[in-house]
This record gives sequence, C-alpha cells and structure tokens, in this order.
Amino acid sequence: DGGITQSPKYLFRKEGQNVTLSCEQNLNHDAMYWYRQDPGQGLRLIYYSQIVNDFQKGDIAEGYSVSREKKESFPLTVTSAQKNPTAFYLCASRSLAGFEQFFGPGTRLTVL
Amino acid sequence: QKEVEQNSGPLSVPEGAIASLNCTYSDRVSQSFFWYRQYSGKSPELIMSIYSNGDKEDGRFTAQLNKASQYVSLLIRDSQPSDSATYLCAVDYGGSQGNLIFGKGTKLSVKP
Repeated sequence: DGGITQSPKYLFRKEGQNVTLSCEQNLNHDAMYWYRQDPGQGLRLIYYSQIVNDFQKGDIAEGYSVSREKKESFPLTVTSAQKNPTAFYLCASRSLAGFEQFFGPGTRLTVL
Repeated sequence: QKEVEQNSGPLSVPEGAIASLNCTYSDRVSQSFFWYRQYSGKSPELIMSIYSNGDKEDGRFTAQLNKASQYVSLLIRDSQPSDSATYLCAVDYGGSQGNLIFGKGTKLSVKP
C-alpha cells in the first residue's frame, strides 16, 4: 500500500524536552510538508522540502527543526524553544508534477 | 497577506439536502484550488481539486470556481450523516513551490 505514515500517533512531552516526530512516505513524492493545526485554526506551514538535503522555513518555523536525508523521510523536531507546542501535527507530501497534497494520519503532541 | 476565508459554521442541513460550502481567496494569481474533508480527530482527506473556471463534478460533489470573483464553492448533493465533517478550502500560493494556503474550515452537520 502506498501512503504516508506518521509516528507516534500520540506523544506527551515534558517542558524543556526536545521530541522528534516521524514522517515516512512510499509514494515517491519529491515534496514534503509539516503543518500544525490548533483548534479552530487552519493549517499553518512549519517547514517544507522539495528535494533531498534541502528545506525551507514556512510561516511558523521558530522552535522547530527538520532534516531531509532521504526522499522518503522528513522528521520534525519540536525543540524546547517552541513556547506552545501542544497541537496536532500533520505531514503531507506532493508529487512535483501536480499541486495536490496528501496527508498522513497526524501526531497529537501534548506538553505536560 | 494571502488569505483564504471560509464561514466557520456550523452549517446544518437535513439528510438528502444540498450542502453549499463557500470560500474566497485574496490572491488573483492563484491557479489551483482544493477541498479537503476532515473528520473530527483525523487528518484532512483530499476530495476535490479544480483548476479552471466553471463546475467540476465527482459523484455527489461539485466544485465551482469563479476566478474573476475569487470564489470557489463545494456543493454536496443528497447529503448524508457521514458527510458531517469540517471542510477545508486550500488555494495555491501562486508560485512554483506548490505551497497551499488553507482556510480555517467550515463545519458541516447533516441531520438524519
């Protein structure tokens, strides 16, 4: 089955800790994205990458970091510098031949 | 500032009726328009894409685009309780990066 997987589904973090969210896709898509969704808010872009070893900041990159060492993988690290990290995190991917973005199931992060 | 506006709802329709969801966007250079369905606690699912003025039909769904008025809509015919979800409108940034701007979504409730 082709698709996008995210893990874990739920994540609990203590204040001051860094955590890494996983995103893997086997759709052979070149572009990958990380979004954050808060209740009553639209999706806000954190980081995106169109090719391996290259990525760009989105609208709310502060307190987050990413890497793109493989085409299939785009992990997101939520650092202790992110002041309000509790949110629903969504990973998406896209073929460069089109504009449709497809989403993984998401990771719900809660800071304790 | 590029914006996508949607009525937050909730929009309540009886089963079997037509649900009409609307979206306006601010950037005239946008060329690609998408509707996503998001069930509570789940990730967004792409249900329609439209690129040209006019109507595009797919089963019970019809997307309508009017670029002159910067307006895109989604009609759901014969609405079912299973259509109850939040519907997100997404519009491309207008560049080659393929980034999307998302509205905050309209919550639809279909009453049996």
